[in-house]
Amino acid sequence: GNSVTQMEGPVTLSEEAFLTINCTYTATGYPSLFWYVQYPGEGLQLLLKATKADDKGSNKGFEATYRKETTSFHLEKGSVQVSDSAVYFCALSERETSYDKVIFGPGTSLSVIP
Amino acid sequence: DGGITQSPKYLFRKEGQNVTLSCEQNLNHDAMYWYRQDPGQGLRLIYYSQIVNDFQKGDIAEGYSVSREKKESFPLTVTSAQKNPTAFYLCASSISVSNEQFFGPGTRLTVL
Repeated sequence: GNSVTQMEGPVTLSEEAFLTINCTYTATGYPSLFWYVQYPGEGLQLLLKATKADDKGSNKGFEATYRKETTSFHLEKGSVQVSDSAVYFCALSERETSYDKVIFGPGTSLSVIP
Repeated sequence: DGGITQSPKYLFRKEGQNVTLSCEQNLNHDAMYWYRQDPGQGLRLIYYSQIVNDFQKGDIAEGYSVSREKKESFPLTVTSAQKNPTAFYLCASSISVSNEQFFGPGTRLTVL
């Protein structure tokens, strides 16, 4: 079945460092791809999304490009801040018989230290 | 402000007791969802509802029940049949089942 794989955490970076969180997926069709962020003790928030190949999603300095040839959607940020410390989930959305099912990866915990 | 509320934030129950988790949204969304989150794992879908008075089982529905009597509300009951109920439960909603999901803040359930 379809699935999402993320790099294992936790990831610890110094403030202003470059961030990459790898995400690869397996899908039979052409899913939409998402990155969600979860701050401690809170629910998930949509960070960015891409709906077709070569689309680039971006928000709050984060970017990810939908790469169909490598089935990847890696999350990047040029300069992280302490406030970016959170768990990041890669996800895909695929059409089931009656709805778009969202499949989440296991999450990658990021800690940014001053 | 529009959004999704879940209550309570923390819930403790004795083993063998049923417990109901609340989820309310004022976004006028038709679709609502319940997910379970365990440490180090992604979210797993318990139930979803596309419209009032209709709901469907997700991947891990055993030991759970839901109702959708009002558009705004989608309560989840964790029954005594759920073998390992201690987890973080997240409710979400979307305009329709093909749109972006918005999440509530979650309820952490601990069964003692």
